[in-house]
Amino acid sequence: ETGVTQTPRHLVMGMTNKKSLKCEQHLGHNAMYWYKQSAKKPLELMFVYSLEERVENNSVPSRFSPECPNSSHLFLHLHTLQPEDSALYLCASSQDHEWRGPAFFGQGTRLTVV
Amino acid sequence: DQQVKQNSPSLSVQEGRISILNCDYTNSMFDYFLWYKKYPAEGPTFLISISSIKDKNEDGRFTVFLNKSAKHLSLHIVPSQPGDSAVYFCAAKAITQGGSEKLVFGKGTKLTVNP
Repeated sequence: ETGVTQTPRHLVMGMTNKKSLKCEQHLGHNAMYWYKQSAKKPLELMFVYSLEERVENNSVPSRFSPECPNSSHLFLHLHTLQPEDSALYLCASSQDHEWRGPAFFGQGTRLTVV
Repeated sequence: DQQVKQNSPSLSVQEGRISILNCDYTNSMFDYFLWYKKYPAEGPTFLISISSIKDKNEDGRFTVFLNKSAKHLSLHIVPSQPGDSAVYFCAAKAITQGGSEKLVFGKGTKLTVNP
């Protein structure tokens, strides 16, 4: 248990569906991240939120839409995805400024787009 | 262009022996490095870190060595145990264009410890 919880753990969706991934952290951190892990690739940063403000959008297609309503919660809204978007989506949190500690990850959502 | 490289996709060692996992980086501005361990179907778990002001950090069976001049770090696990079998990711802390902080990861090395 890392203090970062992601739901659902597994998700299968069609290309016309709309779904959302949820992340919640109970560590008092003020930065939250979405990462994507595709097969045989390094973890890729998608978005960074610091103090509930998006500070990084790593050239992610608009079919991925993040939302950070407060410092403890982070969502990733998905719509009209493609099969190549199938991957493990990981949420992480950390203390942002003066950060000298690790980021902690959730267990991930395994997404399959059919 | 990959800034953090783990050139060995896999490593196999016998139980009780030393496991050495290697990582190279290209950006001399990186000043904080981490190792994460990942089991299948789980998120990465933080293992150990090192700041660039040090060249060694030890935590139980795990030791990380940093050679700044070579831009190289390594993770030593001794003695290795079957439960250590997992994928190990090397990561470096970087600053984003927005001024925030992020981790840049290598592709990982799959460690198998044989009983």
